[in-house]
Amino acid sequence: DTGVSQNPRHKITKRGQNVTFRCDPISEHNRLYWYRQTLGQGPEFLTYFQNEAQLEKSRLLSDRFSAERPKGSFSTLEIQRTEQGDSAMYLCASSFSAYGYTFGSGTRLTVV
Amino acid sequence: DAKTTQPPSMDCAEGRAANLPCNHSTISGNEYVYWYRQIHSQGPQYIIHGLKNNETNEMASLIITEDRKSSTLILPHATLRDTAVYYCIVGIRLDKLVFGAGTILRVKS
Repeated sequence: DTGVSQNPRHKITKRGQNVTFRCDPISEHNRLYWYRQTLGQGPEFLTYFQNEAQLEKSRLLSDRFSAERPKGSFSTLEIQRTEQGDSAMYLCASSFSAYGYTFGSGTRLTVV
Repeated sequence: DAKTTQPPSMDCAEGRAANLPCNHSTISGNEYVYWYRQIHSQGPQYIIHGLKNNETNEMASLIITEDRKSSTLILPHATLRDTAVYYCIVGIRLDKLVFGAGTILRVKS
């Protein structure tokens, strides 16, 4: 287990299309997080799972966004009807406790 | 969560200690100080955290002032691979980190 894996690394999509990203956390980690990062800014919290339960969602997560973590393992983040403002790096992280997250390398989304 | 203030950028010579300051004057008694860094095109990497006492690990040392209103992250012997954005984060919400803009540290040979 080499860390948190995110796929794809890059995604270019046309405005209005749906996209789905996948995150595979470190296997023994029960917590999984999604963050979004735009150029020149720090990451912003989107949502958080403990096992399969989604415990918190940011107001940034509009109703076009949905995240799932079936069976408490991998997670998917789907964006419906993408807009240019959705262009960002989407980061996934996992942890066993909350002290030391391990982040993945992210999925860079470009909406054209 | 308390706000943090960090310089936007700093330079450091390779092999010298890099001292990165962070002000968090409104920190409350149960808030931790966390440091993460982000190397270009990668996700953030956890470095260290502390509550009141100074902390040291294999990556860095964290010095927290007695009044807890500021802290310093020390990289004892900076290398070119330490060039990154360093984030100081203060909070009690351990499951929801609030990142600021961070400090861009440039290590130069």
